[in-house]
Amino acid sequence: GDSVTQMEGPVTLSEEACLTINCTYTATGYPSLFWYVQYPGEGLQLLLKATKADDKGSNKGFEATYRKETTSFHLEKGSVQVSDSAVYFCALSAGLGNTPLVFGKGTRLSVIA
Amino acid sequence: GAVVSQHPSRVICKSGTSVKIECRSLDFQATTMFWYRQFPKQSLMLMATSNEGSKATYEQGVEKDKFLINHASLTLSTLTVTSAHPEDSSFYICSARGGLSGSSAHYNEQFFGPGTRLTVL
Repeated sequence: GDSVTQMEGPVTLSEEACLTINCTYTATGYPSLFWYVQYPGEGLQLLLKATKADDKGSNKGFEATYRKETTSFHLEKGSVQVSDSAVYFCALSAGLGNTPLVFGKGTRLSVIA
Repeated sequence: GAVVSQHPSRVICKSGTSVKIECRSLDFQATTMFWYRQFPKQSLMLMATSNEGSKATYEQGVEKDKFLINHASLTLSTLTVTSAHPEDSSFYICSARGGLSGSSAHYNEQFFGPGTRLTVL
């Protein structure tokens, strides 16, 4: 079945450091890919998405490019802030209607001042 | 994006009681709603998928008599944890997916509620 694998955390970075969280997927067909962020004690918020190969999703300084050839959707940010501390989930959606999102296990990011 | 609300945000109850959690799509019609459970520092585990007007489809290992799901309208789904026990304590998150009848901006997007933290004493 479809699956998402993302790097395990926790990841601890100093403020203004570069961030990369790796995400690879396995799916039949052409899934849409997502990154969600969960701040402490809150639900999930969509951070960015890409719906087809070579699309780049971007938001709040984060970006990720849909790479079909490597089945990857790595999350990157050039300069992280303390406020970026959260858990990041990579996910895919392989169909319409009843098809739920398939999530990776999440990567906890801690940014220290 | 569209807004999904959950109520209550936190609930503490005694063992043996039942707890109802509501999930509402506030500005779009959700043909499909999903219920997830999240244990501390872990990923989301899909519990069930519900479609308006029909019975929910439960994931393997999820007791349908324990976790009752009702999707009575295009904007409301409820999860009732019956005879709750301490092991049911968890963070429950719903999500709603826009359908064809809704705004094209929300079609097939999945929006998450803020979650409900259930603590069973």
